[in-house]
Amino acid sequence: DAKTTQPNSMESNEEEPVHLPCNHSTISGTDYIHWYRQLPSQGPEYVIHGLTSNVNNRMASLAIAEDRKSSTLILHRATLRDAAVYYCILRDTGANNLFFGTGTRLTVIP
Amino acid sequence: GAVVSQHPSRVICKSGTSVKIECRSLDFQATTMFWYRQFPKKSLMLMATSNEGSKATYEQGVEKDKFLINHASLTLSTLTVTSAHPEDSSFYICSASLFQGGGYTFGSGTRLTVV
Repeated sequence: DAKTTQPNSMESNEEEPVHLPCNHSTISGTDYIHWYRQLPSQGPEYVIHGLTSNVNNRMASLAIAEDRKSSTLILHRATLRDAAVYYCILRDTGANNLFFGTGTRLTVIP
Repeated sequence: GAVVSQHPSRVICKSGTSVKIECRSLDFQATTMFWYRQFPKKSLMLMATSNEGSKATYEQGVEKDKFLINHASLTLSTLTVTSAHPEDSSFYICSASLFQGGGYTFGSGTRLTVV
């Protein structure tokens, strides 16, 4: 699986937007970009995924660069419950499994 | 939405005993499930892919005789940690996908402590 690079940690003020970056310069044409988050002592939670176009759902938005070598997860208004480790993962369409990197630990400041 | 239930959430066992962890897909059928382990402040490490009706596929470095996986039905996969030792203490997590190419749903995890 192609590798992703994320900052180790980020901070955000409550109720402000958060942009979590992810670099994946070796992405292949068949790789989907997946985002998951993990709250303390819980299993990961699916956030969003996309291939080429930007995606929106009730949790977040995913902005994908035109060359697909980077993407940004956008939380429109951070809440304290959004404090978690966010993982950006590439998954080939033909592959079944997910390989996790180190992720970004998001701290939300009240 | 798809729900994966994992049981137990916590277990403490003595060295040398075996522990079974269950992973169930509650409202969908999962021909494939995945098992991960996670050490404190570390990322998830994929241990094995569990396939319904056939043998599991283990990642490099994971002992198949140590971590027995059974996927006897489309809604249940089990991970048995055999002859557990303190170094097996970890957070074990299972996951499954509702459909090919979609997002994955994860169980809430099992914290195993071997004393």
